[in-house]
Amino acid sequence: AQKITQTQPGMFVQEKEAVTLDCTYDTSDQSYGLFWYKQPSSGEMIFLIYQGSYDEQNATEGRYSLNFQKARKSANLVISASQLGDSAMYFCAMRDDANFNKFYFGSGTKLNVKP
Amino acid sequence: NAGVTQTPKFQVLKTGQSMTLQCAQDMNHEYMSWYRQDPGMGLRLIHYSVGAGITDQGEVPNGYNVSRSTTEDFPLRLLSAAPSQTSVYFCASSYSVRGQINYGYTFGSGTRLTVV
Repeated sequence: AQKITQTQPGMFVQEKEAVTLDCTYDTSDQSYGLFWYKQPSSGEMIFLIYQGSYDEQNATEGRYSLNFQKARKSANLVISASQLGDSAMYFCAMRDDANFNKFYFGSGTKLNVKP
Repeated sequence: NAGVTQTPKFQVLKTGQSMTLQCAQDMNHEYMSWYRQDPGMGLRLIHYSVGAGITDQGEVPNGYNVSRSTTEDFPLRLLSAAPSQTSVYFCASSYSVRGQINYGYTFGSGTRLTVV
């Protein structure tokens, strides 16, 4: 069974600094995808970044990068140059490539960016 | 593009009442799913569908029914509402083609349901 663990319920970061949100996962599958979503206070779920299990390079999308360590089964999200608008809940999720329709989500990390 | 549209946005039910949460997408996505979000627990899969006429259970299906008569619509029915079903419900859809799956789901804006 797949399982996603986010051990940081809440974090603070100073504006313009970088922050790392931790995510570890547990799966016996060889082919899977890892995702990060942002949920602002308004409630919508916003896709941030994707990493495939066979991708050799870490994914990057603008100020977001995913630090993928396959052997350690970790997929940490790094946000560079934090902005006030980055304050939100962040969810790590995994999808088994044999079943595109099933995502497994972590419990989330609440990030607060301080001015 | 409307994306994924959920209605209603808010709903209060009495215990034992039934209702249907509506979900529609205009992106011709084959895959659609319903999730519930509870505090401290992330999102959990209720039911999902891989195409019209095909549905299956997720992690927490009890108390919910779904059907998928068209590609666009995927309603979620609460048969007899219970306080334990108080939650935020998200509908989501995605492509099924491997080359287009990298963006995962497109989510609706959610339905906040309270059962009293």
